[in-house]
Amino acid sequence: EPEVTQTPSHQVTQMGQEVILRCVPISNHLYFYWYRQILGQKVEFLVSFYNNEISEKSEIFDDQFSVERPDGSNFTLKIRSTKLEDSAMYFCASSNSPNSYSPLHFGNGTRLTVT
Amino acid sequence: AQSVTQLDSQVPVFEEAPVELRCNYSSSVSVYLFWYVQYPNQGLQLLLKYLSGSTLVKGINGFEAEFNKSQTSFHLRKPSVHISDTAEYFCAVSASGGGADGLTFGKGTHLIIQP
Repeated sequence: EPEVTQTPSHQVTQMGQEVILRCVPISNHLYFYWYRQILGQKVEFLVSFYNNEISEKSEIFDDQFSVERPDGSNFTLKIRSTKLEDSAMYFCASSNSPNSYSPLHFGNGTRLTVT
Repeated sequence: AQSVTQLDSQVPVFEEAPVELRCNYSSSVSVYLFWYVQYPNQGLQLLLKYLSGSTLVKGINGFEAEFNKSQTSFHLRKPSVHISDTAEYFCAVSASGGGADGLTFGKGTHLIIQP
């Protein structure tokens, strides 16, 4: 079964550094998402992306964050200047429809640790 | 806006015993309901979903859930659990009218199966 893949599985960075989290969505999917889960807290929506544009973003997704689909397969999340509170598990997801009944397919996540 | 409450952060159960994981939601609009499971070091995997029709929905691995509109609940059940069911379980909702912000998740319930 096709799956969403994320790299790296674990990223450690120093405060103030830029990080790029990478995702390869399922090949025929057109809608892409990033979620994050701070340890012990809820999985939170960050951003959705379609047709090379952000469709929706949450309050968390401030100017420090950006997303890009640099080629036909990758979908990236960039954090420009990391803060300690950015430490979390970041999940990429994709779906083949924007309809809210279409299940999202999630990757295994990237654990980001900011020191 | 929607919200999801999973009252139990952790549920210990003996192997082969039944289990119920509770989920309540609030929303000003009609919603679709989902349960996702996260096995250790893996991504989120869809267990089951309620879109419409029969309020009892069956998912993978012997799990089922019942939608109760009057109680705004969507509890997950399994009649006999196995060691391999040890995982984090997340209840989630999305607005049935659509919306690009995907899913709103609960905090998750850690199901611990004891031999």
